[in-house]
Amino acid sequence: GENVEQHPSTLSVQEGDSAVIKCTYSDSASNYFPWYKQELGKGPQLIIDIRSNVGEKKDQRIAVTLNKTAKHFSLHITETQPEDSAVYFCAATSGDAGNMLTFGGGTRLMVKP
Amino acid sequence: GAVVSQHPSWVICKSGTSVKIECRSLDFQATTMFWYRQFPKQSLMLMATSNEGSKATYEQGVEKDKFLINHASLTLSTLTVTSAHPEDSSFYICSARTGGRDYEQYFGPGTRLTVT
Repeated sequence: GENVEQHPSTLSVQEGDSAVIKCTYSDSASNYFPWYKQELGKGPQLIIDIRSNVGEKKDQRIAVTLNKTAKHFSLHITETQPEDSAVYFCAATSGDAGNMLTFGGGTRLMVKP
Repeated sequence: GAVVSQHPSWVICKSGTSVKIECRSLDFQATTMFWYRQFPKQSLMLMATSNEGSKATYEQGVEKDKFLINHASLTLSTLTVTSAHPEDSSFYICSARTGGRDYEQYFGPGTRLTVT
């Protein structure tokens, strides 16, 4: 089955700096890679996703890149703000098992004002 | 994006009782819904996949007789924790998938269950 690893587990940046979170996956058949933001006590919120036919996608301050050959994808947040502080999860579909999502371990992002 | 609601947001129950959690997709139909459990500072653990009109598929190690799942309509799935014990205390989160080739998966706000 699919295995997703996420790094770093914690990330502290100064407000206005950029933050990058990286994930690797094992199943070359995976074709959908969403990113979720989870604030304390809340459910995960889908913030951006990318499919295997695209190498990069951007939405305002958030961008995601995908390298299918290396089997890794990254989340980039520019001009970070204190409200970006949260836990971020990457995920990937498995090529089998009905396209269920496999999650990374999460990254706790702290943006210092 | 699409909206998934969950009710209740928190519940406290006594050991031995049962608790039902509802998950609704508010603005889309979801043939597939998922139930996750999350422990503090950990990732999401898939408990089961719920398909409308059919039996749920449980992950290994999840007791299907303890965690009853019903997906009676395209917008509603329920999770019933039967004979709850303190070790069942956790954060339960449902998720629903939109249809089509370009599907997306959205999560509910979660339910905090405390068993005393």
